[in-house]
Amino acid sequence: SQQGEEDPQALSIQEGENATMNCSYKTSINNLQWYRQNSGRGLVHLILIRSNEREKHSGRLRVTLDTSKKSSSLLITASRAADTASYFCATENNAGNNRKLIWGLGTSLAVNP
Amino acid sequence: DAMVIQNPRYQVTQFGKPVTLSCSQTLNHNVMYWYQQKSSQAPKLLFHYYDKDFNNEADTPDNFQSRRPNTSFCFLDIRSPGLGDAAMYLCATSRGGTDTQYFGPGTRLTVL
Repeated sequence: SQQGEEDPQALSIQEGENATMNCSYKTSINNLQWYRQNSGRGLVHLILIRSNEREKHSGRLRVTLDTSKKSSSLLITASRAADTASYFCATENNAGNNRKLIWGLGTSLAVNP
Repeated sequence: DAMVIQNPRYQVTQFGKPVTLSCSQTLNHNVMYWYQQKSSQAPKLLFHYYDKDFNNEADTPDNFQSRRPNTSFCFLDIRSPGLGDAAMYLCATSRGGTDTQYFGPGTRLTVL
């Protein structure tokens, strides 16, 4: 089942610009994760933010989490053509002994050289 | 390097002909997952194992089965593939709980 909704569905920017993707979810969470998927490949974990954290950085990535609004954003600064990929948010809900991730629909990012 | 390996990377089968996809991991993770992903869609969880404990998603068709003979290996069996089963199949592992999932490169299944 999918509970995350991401916007925009597709984003096209020029190299060097910043890219912002948003994710909303419906139920309370333990954490929220962002993954990246290059075309025709597996997913790669980017960053995990816990429910008691509000902001996290990793290199050119900045993730924020607002649990009151049930939303998160992923910012990629100074984008490069190699950042072209699909980006998915995923939440691990805290319903009992659940070990599943609930996936968003993804944002397709195109960075033009 | 510790990793998740999927074989084959590309699999072609005929309508109704059983096919098995394999996944192995060197991470020694407790949990292994199988996802189906169709073009431009999010991954869809089919089932997962926590150690030997099998967990099937309610909407996973009976046509899909899985085996985990040991910690390192997990198999996806599609008993009678239909055209609608053509997709990318992704294997992932995690230590469990709220941990990160580590994905293999996927197997692209084509059904003729």
